[in-house]
Amino acid sequence: GAGVSQSPSNKVTEKGKDVELRCDPISGHTALYWYRQSLGQGLEFLIYFQGNSAPDKSGLPSDRFSAERTGGSVSTLTIQRTQQEDSAVYLCASSLATSRDTGELFFGEGSRLTVL
Amino acid sequence: GNSVTQMEGPVTLSEEAFLTINCTYTATGYPSLFWYVQYPGEGLQLLLKATKADDKGSNKGFEATYRKETTSFHLEKGSVQVSDSAVYFCAPRGGSQGNLIFGKGTKLSVKP
Repeated sequence: GAGVSQSPSNKVTEKGKDVELRCDPISGHTALYWYRQSLGQGLEFLIYFQGNSAPDKSGLPSDRFSAERTGGSVSTLTIQRTQQEDSAVYLCASSLATSRDTGELFFGEGSRLTVL
Repeated sequence: GNSVTQMEGPVTLSEEAFLTINCTYTATGYPSLFWYVQYPGEGLQLLLKATKADDKGSNKGFEATYRKETTSFHLEKGSVQVSDSAVYFCAPRGGSQGNLIFGKGTKLSVKP
């Protein structure tokens, strides 16, 4: 498709289980971002991939969270041993590498995670 | 790193009222400044941006001017419509960071 694609759109899991969320960026976009949107908390930056550079992981809230990006395209966000406070909408965005500072981020529809 | 303080909502206005949503930022270097909007049930999308001091971004009747001296990027619209009801996010980007840092968002409700 033409836009950023995320899956699953909804995920309900039990506390303690691991989950994987997938993001397929716009073709040709080498920058990819993960954000978390919690009720009443706004948008929280998690991790940022830019081409072949080491990712900026400064926003990951704990070592239970990790992300990888294979082949410079698809990214997977993994949350291990999920907790109830992990419940949120996880948003992925991508942008062109040549517009590092000035370019628009294009967002996916998000993956809503509910941890019971 | 970059940070942003945004006017807290919710904001409730009548149709055709004037809108201002305040946004101030702190940043290392000279970031570009963005306003994103999230309409009910939809994903985030860019509303407008300004990439250098004194630039004015505009779209759909909304405007915001990059004020370096006051480190502000307030969003304004002269006459809001019911269809403007959404959550608005201010976000600096760049300078020393490549990622986009969002404010907490301001929910706007416009009543007919």
